[in-house]
Amino acid sequence: AQSVTQLGSHVSVSEGALVLLRCNYSSSVPPYLFWYVQYPNQGLQLLLKYTSAATLVKGINGFEAEFKKSETSFHLTKPSAHMSDAAEYFCAVSDGNAGNMLTFGGGTRLMVKP
Amino acid sequence: DTGVSQDPRHKITKRGQNVTFRCDPISEHNRLYWYRQTLGQGPEFLTYFQNEAQLEKSRLLSNRFSAERPKGSFSTLEIQRTEQGDSAMYLCASSLSGGGLDEQYFGPGTRLTVT
Repeated sequence: AQSVTQLGSHVSVSEGALVLLRCNYSSSVPPYLFWYVQYPNQGLQLLLKYTSAATLVKGINGFEAEFKKSETSFHLTKPSAHMSDAAEYFCAVSDGNAGNMLTFGGGTRLMVKP
Repeated sequence: DTGVSQDPRHKITKRGQNVTFRCDPISEHNRLYWYRQTLGQGPEFLTYFQNEAQLEKSRLLSNRFSAERPKGSFSTLEIQRTEQGDSAMYLCASSLSGGGLDEQYFGPGTRLTVT
């Protein structure tokens, strides 16, 4: 069984500030980990994924995430927030079974203040 | 590549009615997934197909739900005798399995409101 916990359903930052969205996972096997972004009335878009290669993963739009096995974490960061980053962010885990079905966290809504 | 499309985008129905949603995956993708997302929650896996075979179903998929992918291309998700608890966003995703971890591409979703 696997699960994902995203701490903080809402995060607010000022434009230009560091973005940190937290994700902790539980998995009985080495996991694959993902971050998706969802803009209003749109589907989910993949930001980045961890597949057991480098522990620091770089994604699109300046986002990156670090896999820390000892902490079972996969936090998402961006050095400088832009207004266009305002969206809902979902962390997800897959164990590679069942066609790589994804188990999602509850999501974090990022708000960016001017 | 036109992406994953879903139809309709919005559906309002009365309790007890049947509804059917359609998903058209990216053309060369052999895997197709259905997820359900309720307000304020992350998506939850419902079922997936590899080509026309339905290989996995979540316990969330009650016997009122049925999904098909008859020719391994588009898929339909039918809900019979809808209940208010069925109100949610239904997301479809597709991927191309290639022996490793395939990336799922999501459609815009169908938002169902049961009154």
